[in-house]
Amino acid sequence: QSALTQPASVSGSPGQSITISCTGTSSDVGSYVSWYQQHPGKAPELIIYEVTKRPSGISNRFSGSKSGNTASLTISGLHDEDEADYYCYSYAGSGTWVFGGGTKLTVL
Amino acid sequence: EVQLVESGGGFVQPGRSLRLSCAASGFTFDDHAMHWVRQAPGKGLEWVSGINWKGVNIAYADSVKGRFTISRDNAKNSLYLQMNSLRSEDTALYYCAKDISPAIYCSGDCALDHWGQGALVTVSS
Repeated sequence: QSALTQPASVSGSPGQSITISCTGTSSDVGSYVSWYQQHPGKAPELIIYEVTKRPSGISNRFSGSKSGNTASLTISGLHDEDEADYYCYSYAGSGTWVFGGGTKLTVL
Repeated sequence: EVQLVESGGGFVQPGRSLRLSCAASGFTFDDHAMHWVRQAPGKGLEWVSGINWKGVNIAYADSVKGRFTISRDNAKNSLYLQMNSLRSEDTALYYCAKDISPAIYCSGDCALDHWGQGALVTVSS
């Protein structure tokens, strides 16, 4: 159960787009990748599930994709309030799950 | 409104035990798998354990296998985590989380769509 690999940090200016990658193996980064946003001192919030789906109430500025063993989260038109930590999460088989190490997004 | 409220956290010495509870409301509890996720101070999220809607299918992270036991009482809309042989590295904020799916063996929509605010567990001598 090794953690999925994410960049430790990314940054962008308001209005720009950024992409956060999440790399694992063929046995974990499959069709059940989800992404979570966590602001300091708050519980995580689901923003993308099953690679590309958005829960109701989540802005369409958030989008997900996957190629091979790498899933990606793209945030377009960055807002100041997007500054947070982002985590990918994927099914690892046999009922077990694994998170990525997390990426800190800084809005410059 | 979905609510998940954890309780039972506290300060405990290494080797001792603690039991966390999560009271659920605002949804049909026995339609959903449930999970425990923890976050050590200043660190990332770590999946700890999951249990399916009926309490039959259970899985654990290697880091807690053999020491922690997850369970649920659907009649009481409650999730539990019995933590034995606690270690300093178990110090973390423990979140209860609701799965979209009834199963932990994912074959469709699976994700953690609601989270509690967490219960802090501190293991120290």
